[in-house]
Amino acid sequence: DIVVTQSPLSLPVTPGEPASISCRSSQSLLHTNGYNYLDWYLQKPGQSPQLLISLGSNRASGVPDRFSGSGSGTDFTLRISRVEAEDVGVYYCMQGLKSQTFGGGTKVEIK
Amino acid sequence: QITLKESGPTLVQPTQTLTLTCTFSGFSLNNYGMGVGWIRQPPGRALEWLALIYWDDDKRYSPSLKTRLTITKDTSGNQVVLRMTNVDPVDTGRYYCAHRGPMAGGVVASYDIWGQGTMVTVSS
Repeated sequence: DIVVTQSPLSLPVTPGEPASISCRSSQSLLHTNGYNYLDWYLQKPGQSPQLLISLGSNRASGVPDRFSGSGSGTDFTLRISRVEAEDVGVYYCMQGLKSQTFGGGTKVEIK
Repeated sequence: QITLKESGPTLVQPTQTLTLTCTFSGFSLNNYGMGVGWIRQPPGRALEWLALIYWDDDKRYSPSLKTRLTITKDTSGNQVVLRMTNVDPVDTGRYYCAHRGPMAGGVVASYDIWGQGTMVTVSS
């Protein structure tokens, strides 16, 4: 089974400052089609999760461009260029190459 | 506009079978590339993927829960049912269904639309 590990577990952020979250996979998530099967989701307090980034680096429809995803193979990063108050919540990465597995989540809160 | 809604019992007794239904609109599971997955979340804990069914009836299950889960779709193409046998209090949580469809380059990946979830408590 593919294990997905996120870090940090908790991330205090200052509005206007950048932030980044790491996601590491126990196996490469690079498919033969050239895409990395790694997504990023945000679950805001009291809400259902929402897709931010698909296939490693593709912003989902309606997602602000301050969010970006990068990485390939086993190491991935979600970056927020300038954090806003509405970005608080728990961020999850999920691998979709073999079965599907979520990371343990990273809680982002305002300092 | 795609919407999904989960329904099912709020309380289930241990050892019983849990049956959850996902009713959706805005797409048909009879159409190429469409999929519906189930994900759950115990109170205060992380998301856990459970199962996925595609338009061609291809089914995928969490390896750790595979023996207890069955996912099916109805012929009308707008409902998916998840059955979980022999439930235990550790199965308590919010259960979500979500749409999976073509993303970048037409590749089928990602859960782009989620339902609101339904809370299930397993207790005697």
